[in-house]
Amino acid sequence: ILNVEQSPQSLHVQEGDSTNFTCSFPSSNFYALHWYRWETAKSPEALFVMTLNGDEKKKGRISATLNTKEGYSYLYIKGSQPEDSATYLCASRNNAGNMLTFGGGTRLMVKP
Amino acid sequence: DTGVSQDPRHKITKRGQNVTFRCDPISEHNRLYWYRQTLGQGPEFLTYFQNEAQLEKSRLLSDRFSAERPKGSFSTLEIQRTEQGDSAMYLCASSLNGVDYGYTFGSGTRLTVV
Repeated sequence: ILNVEQSPQSLHVQEGDSTNFTCSFPSSNFYALHWYRWETAKSPEALFVMTLNGDEKKKGRISATLNTKEGYSYLYIKGSQPEDSATYLCASRNNAGNMLTFGGGTRLMVKP
Repeated sequence: DTGVSQDPRHKITKRGQNVTFRCDPISEHNRLYWYRQTLGQGPEFLTYFQNEAQLEKSRLLSDRFSAERPKGSFSTLEIQRTEQGDSAMYLCASSLNGVDYGYTFGSGTRLTVV
């Protein structure tokens, strides 16, 4: 069973602040790392799927990095906006199965 | 195709009753997953289908839970003899084959067992 940990559990920032969260996962038998954004009353939405060590992906003001050797990924949000308020979930997949194991999420609240 | 739909959105049931949820995935997606999420936790894997075949099932899943995906299209998740501990958000997701594809989630079914 994978243990995927996310920190912090919650975060309050002011509009315009840049912020980042951490996801740690077992590095052995690593296959893929996913990031999702989950806004209240909506469905989780895929942000990134990353597989290669050292990979960096970007989508607008949001970017993510991946270190598969040490088992962590960072998600960065530049210039946070109130609409970025959501729970950010990371999930890891190893090569022993097809399912994702999710972390507990980081709940971000951006104050105008 | 408007995405993954789940029905019902909310279900309140008395302890001991059976409930069934439905998930309609994106039609081109051959993979379908069920997850359960409780307050303050991340989604927890329940089961996975590739087409109509149920390929993986969580060891944590009691035998009161059963899932089907006849004809490889929609899926149903049934919980028999519900318990208060079954109260959770039940999420369905679908995806294409291949490691580069993220999941598309439905909005979930929130179950409350009273």
